[in-house]
Amino acid sequence: AQSVAQPEDQVNVAEGNPLTVKCTYSVSGNPYLFWYVQYPNRGLQFLLKYITGDNLVKGSYGFEAEFNKSQTSFHLKKPSALVSDSALYFCAVRDRDDKIIFGKGTRLHILP
Amino acid sequence: EPEVTQTPSHQVTQMGQEVILRCVPISNHLYFYWYRQILGQKVEFLVSFYNNEISEKSEIFDDQFSVERPDGSNFTLKIRSTKLEDSAMYFCASSEFGGRNAGELFFGEGSRLTVL
Repeated sequence: AQSVAQPEDQVNVAEGNPLTVKCTYSVSGNPYLFWYVQYPNRGLQFLLKYITGDNLVKGSYGFEAEFNKSQTSFHLKKPSALVSDSALYFCAVRDRDDKIIFGKGTRLHILP
Repeated sequence: EPEVTQTPSHQVTQMGQEVILRCVPISNHLYFYWYRQILGQKVEFLVSFYNNEISEKSEIFDDQFSVERPDGSNFTLKIRSTKLEDSAMYFCASSEFGGRNAGELFFGEGSRLTVL
């Protein structure tokens, strides 16, 4: 079965510093990977996806993610964090049956 | 920008009562989903729906749950006899493509269900 793992429950980063939110995946075949963000009391918003092509994927709000096949990782990154980036971030994979499976989420705190 | 809308935003019900959560997916989307999230934690898949039938359902989606697309715009989730553990935020999502061409899901803002 397809799955993703987010090893960190929480990540704290000072404003202006680069941020990384980690995700590893386990899939059979080619992975379809996603990052979503959830702000307090809101639904999930799509950030970016990897289907095929360039390993560095650019998304909304200045976020990007790097697909690494050898390490089976799809870490979310941003060069300079903003306080407004504080939210819950979900890595996800689309499985063979078409549904998206989410990781447990990582809470990102950007410290002013 | 088109969006998925959900009603009600919050519903409080007594254990054993029936609840219907409603969703209006994005108009040109063909694939519909329900997910739930308990206490702001993991987002769990419940069911997917395409071409007026369930494509897949999880273990959570037992006989107490049902989905329906009663007309060309609404997509509903019914819980026949609610239990305390059904208390959660329920998210509807839709997607334009599925299968091998599947892309991202678009989520509504959620319906918070509180079972007393």
